[in-house]
Amino acid sequence: GAVVSQHPSRVICKSGTSVKIECRSLDFQATTMFWYRQFPKKSLMLMATSNEGSKATYEQGVEKDKFLINHASLTLSTLTVTSAHPEDSSFYICSASGVQGRSPLHFGNGTRLTVT
Amino acid sequence: QKEVEQNSGPLSVPEGAIASLNCTYSDRVSQSFFWYRQYSGKSPELIMSIYSNGDKEDGRFTAQLNKASQYVSLLIRDSQPSDSATYLCAVNGATDSWGKFQFGAGTQVVVTP
Repeated sequence: GAVVSQHPSRVICKSGTSVKIECRSLDFQATTMFWYRQFPKKSLMLMATSNEGSKATYEQGVEKDKFLINHASLTLSTLTVTSAHPEDSSFYICSASGVQGRSPLHFGNGTRLTVT
Repeated sequence: QKEVEQNSGPLSVPEGAIASLNCTYSDRVSQSFFWYRQYSGKSPELIMSIYSNGDKEDGRFTAQLNKASQYVSLLIRDSQPSDSATYLCAVNGATDSWGKFQFGAGTQVVVTP
């Protein structure tokens, strides 16, 4: 149980374009999802907390207008990287947990974004 | 001071030996503790959860929690080359509502044949 599906797994785009990444909880309802970013050989960096039906909460230093998060249903959250630039190239990972409090986070497989 | 601290490694372990990983945390009210394994280029996968003081065993993995000392550890017995990965310690202070998961930077484990 507790499967999180993330799509696409890999995307290459040109500078200035936008990219949408989808994160779905397949067998549970996720009122809260988390979006992380990870650079090579670095630790996970929380970007934002996505709450179903409300605005996402962004971590300090994360541009909300650049990284648009929508959590329209209990099973789907999307991250859109707008006007992508090469410095946005990174590994983006979503995660979710089905039950509040003590449950672990389950991660999607991640999206490798390369901006050329 | 980081909220969750781990030795970055690499921790080199001979095949068949025991790998011992440690993690300390600063938030005394933390209630839930997790170990994740992350292979290079992949996302983290959950390998252990522990909530109470003491030991919890699952196959070749044993998690140990000591809330008074604010540390949690992971033992990997009979280490295999496939155990070579980065191990992330995660802590959550929530009991009945969402808290923010805090992750350590990870310990790289290298199992040598």
